[in-house]
Amino acid sequence: EIVMTQSPATLSVSPGERATLSCRASQSVSNNLAWYQQKPGQAPRLLIYGASTRATGIPARFSGSGSGTEFTLTISSLQSEDFAVYYCQQYDNWPPLVTFGPGTKVDIE
Amino acid sequence: EVQLVESGGHLIQPGGSLRLSCAASGFTFSSYAMSWVRQAPGKGLEWVSAVGATGGDTYYADSVKGRFAISRDNSKNTLFLQMNSLRVDDTAVYYCAKVYAWFDSWGQGTLVTVSS
Repeated sequence: EIVMTQSPATLSVSPGERATLSCRASQSVSNNLAWYQQKPGQAPRLLIYGASTRATGIPARFSGSGSGTEFTLTISSLQSEDFAVYYCQQYDNWPPLVTFGPGTKVDIE
Repeated sequence: EVQLVESGGHLIQPGGSLRLSCAASGFTFSSYAMSWVRQAPGKGLEWVSAVGATGGDTYYADSVKGRFAISRDNSKNTLFLQMNSLRVDDTAVYYCAKVYAWFDSWGQGTLVTVSS
């Protein structure tokens, strides 16, 4: 089973600053990685798939990079609506195997 | 616009059974795999089950294999999850999601609470 880890667990950032979130896979997943945003009381929302392709309607301030085992989600200039929990998910062995990372909470510094 | 609306979650005793439904609209339901993903209170996301577009292929996480059954009715644009032998650790919000290999659309979720 591929295990996903995310760091840091919590990231405190001021509005307007850049946020960099990391996701690591226990073995190579090529570029088969997605990122999601989840706000309290809401369903997750797809941000990125294929490690770097923004989903429909996602602002350009969100960008994804990486391949193999190391991935990064960058939010170039944090807006108030970006404070949330972010999850990565690998789908290298889909179907059916997918696994999520434990999440990174981005909160206001 | 894709819409996924889950229903059927409620409080149930350990060992009981429950059937969740997910009504889909805004896309050609019969062309896409669908999945259930759950989230225990205060915890992260856990993939539960998936079904292929025709319903012929089904997949389960080890934690639910043998207890849960996923199915779909393409004539009614509806996804189901039959949950049997429920345990306290099945307590979670259950989301249905439209699948490529990533989950590109999610419902609002339905809460299943397993408690005596």
